[in-house]
Amino acid sequence: DTEVTQTPKHLVMGMTNKKSLKCEQHMGHRAMYWYKQKAKKPPELMFVYSYEKLSINESVPSRFSPECPNSSLLNLHLHALQPEDSALYLCASSQEQRNTEAFFGQGTRLTVV
Amino acid sequence: AQTVTQSQPEMSVQEAETVTLSCTYDTSESDYYLFWYKQPPSRQMILVIRQEAYKQQNATENRFSVNFQKAAKSFSLKISDSQLGDAAMYFCAYTRTSGSRLTFGEGTQLTVNP
Repeated sequence: DTEVTQTPKHLVMGMTNKKSLKCEQHMGHRAMYWYKQKAKKPPELMFVYSYEKLSINESVPSRFSPECPNSSLLNLHLHALQPEDSALYLCASSQEQRNTEAFFGQGTRLTVV
Repeated sequence: AQTVTQSQPEMSVQEAETVTLSCTYDTSESDYYLFWYKQPPSRQMILVIRQEAYKQQNATENRFSVNFQKAAKSFSLKISDSQLGDAAMYFCAYTRTSGSRLTFGEGTQLTVNP
């Protein structure tokens, strides 16, 4: 199994809503990542978890709250988002935090209205 | 800081022909990895090919090969016998061997014409 699975694939939420994005991998990878990607732009790193501990936060606003309940799961909790937060959110994983090869999910297309 | 530059925002190629996508990077590190990722309309980033900086031999994966010039900090991707399914955005990416951050270029949108 070399898949990273993200749910939901699409999400529309209001600025007062609370929602969560989910990511799952069963490759035994110990590093997991959240990226944000705007249209026709490269992904931008948001968070890195290594061995279930947050190791990198790229100065992401607190309305984005990551969580790593176990080594296979990664969540991104969303609250009070702004329309400019609309983007594709990609989850990735790699064997270790030393990122020799990252596997990406298909992403969640988020629209904030 | 490391930077990755893809100077071709768009490229097109005829089916069955060969195309080369350019990538240059800037780093003071001697040990690092370089990647080409493909992102089709399905949105998933798919690893196409990987090159370790300490290896002089250019990486090859079926129809995909790279021309890695370490001194020139150049890492181009050659796609041979292009297929319609190769149409996608292609990102060049860099990471330090000891690092955890992928630095991406701006991408090259490849169109394959039948």
